[in-house]
Amino acid sequence: AQSVTQPDIHITVSEGASLELRCNYSYGATPYLFWYVQSPGQGLQLLLKYFSGDTLVQGIKGFEAEFKRSQSSFNLRKPSVHWSDAAEYFCAVGRDSGNTPLVFGKGTRLSVIA
Amino acid sequence: NAGVTQTPKFRILKIGQSMTLQCAQDMNHNYMYWYRQDPGMGLKLIYYSVGAGITDKGEVPNGYNVSRSTTEDFPLRLELAAPSQTSVYFCATTQPSGNTIYFGEGSWLTVV
Repeated sequence: AQSVTQPDIHITVSEGASLELRCNYSYGATPYLFWYVQSPGQGLQLLLKYFSGDTLVQGIKGFEAEFKRSQSSFNLRKPSVHWSDAAEYFCAVGRDSGNTPLVFGKGTRLSVIA
Repeated sequence: NAGVTQTPKFRILKIGQSMTLQCAQDMNHNYMYWYRQDPGMGLKLIYYSVGAGITDKGEVPNGYNVSRSTTEDFPLRLELAAPSQTSVYFCATTQPSGNTIYFGEGSWLTVV
């Protein structure tokens, strides 16, 4: 069975600073990987996804993520954080392109300070 | 285009009461899911359905029931509400080819 670990429960960064949120997965075959963002009181919005091909994936809102098979990681990055990026971020892994249920990490809460 | 619609958005239940969370989608998706979200725990799958008439248990199904009589609707039933079911519930769907999961806006449930 697949699993996801997000090692950081809460991260605080200054506005304009770079950001990296960590995600490690466990799955025997090629995983399908996703990052979602959730603003307070809202549902989940897909930031980006990786199925195959280029290991550096571009998403919305200036986010990108890099799939590293050797490290079983799919870390999310953004070069310059905006105050509006403060939210909860979830990494998820699936067995195929999305029809089988995703397994989510416990989330990382991002705070942005001036 | 409504996408995935969940009702109610907020509800307070007394212990032992029952209720149904409604989920409707207008995208003609076969696959539908119910997740619950607890603070610091991420999302846990309760039940899912791969099409009308077919449902399967997820990771945390106890205390819940579902039905899928139509492609559009996937209601989640709580028969005897317990405080442990206080949570935020999300319904979601995917296209037949997968790729993207569409989430509803969530239903906040408190059991007191």
